[in-house]
Amino acid sequence: QQPVQSPQAVILREGEDAVINCSSSKALYSVHWYRQKHGEAPVFLMILLKGGEQKGHEKISASFNEKKQQSSLYLTASQLSYSGTYFCGTAPVNFGNEKLTFGTGTRLTIIP
Amino acid sequence: DTEVTQTPKHLVMGMTNKKSLKCEQHMGHRAMYWYKQKAKKPPELMFVYSYEKLSINESVPSRFSPECPNSSLLNLHLHALQPEDSALYLCASSQEPIRGLSGNTIYFGEGSWLTVV
Repeated sequence: QQPVQSPQAVILREGEDAVINCSSSKALYSVHWYRQKHGEAPVFLMILLKGGEQKGHEKISASFNEKKQQSSLYLTASQLSYSGTYFCGTAPVNFGNEKLTFGTGTRLTIIP
Repeated sequence: DTEVTQTPKHLVMGMTNKKSLKCEQHMGHRAMYWYKQKAKKPPELMFVYSYEKLSINESVPSRFSPECPNSSLLNLHLHALQPEDSALYLCASSQEPIRGLSGNTIYFGEGSWLTVV
């Protein structure tokens, strides 16, 4: 089944923070996060492997709780360039990233 | 260079046509993928090639036929498509896949916009 993301859409003013959640009904080995702008290819943000790690990438960070089969993406002090649709991609325990399944997506709009 | 190149960028074809989508990467990746993406939906996995061999077919109709001529190239042959097959087709690649392990970044191409009329 497809991972479920929440919220489906969010509008923020520049400088505000956002949290995007990804929840799976299956056991996970890893979670991948991508951002896709309209008409463009998905762009890789980060991968989190099982172990409950948290990773950071400038003002974008993420956490992964494999026991709860959940991941969250944190965007702090959002910039206009953060606008786009964010997808989590999950890889089940018994496969590598060959079997990456994308979540339902969260559309983020940053306004000045 | 982390680039996956897809051609053509746009393709319009009739339901009786035969066409092909092409994908190329020069990152030395040994896993290549085809995804299909409809408007406002996430990408859906179609095929995975590992070491030039088809390893995953997600029950894709036979009117879509993948081919991996070598480690750098991936094709998707299209024949007798239906209007509902109109979508963005994304090619992607990653380093050699290892079952039971993951962590390889998947790099996507810009996609080929396909319209079936």
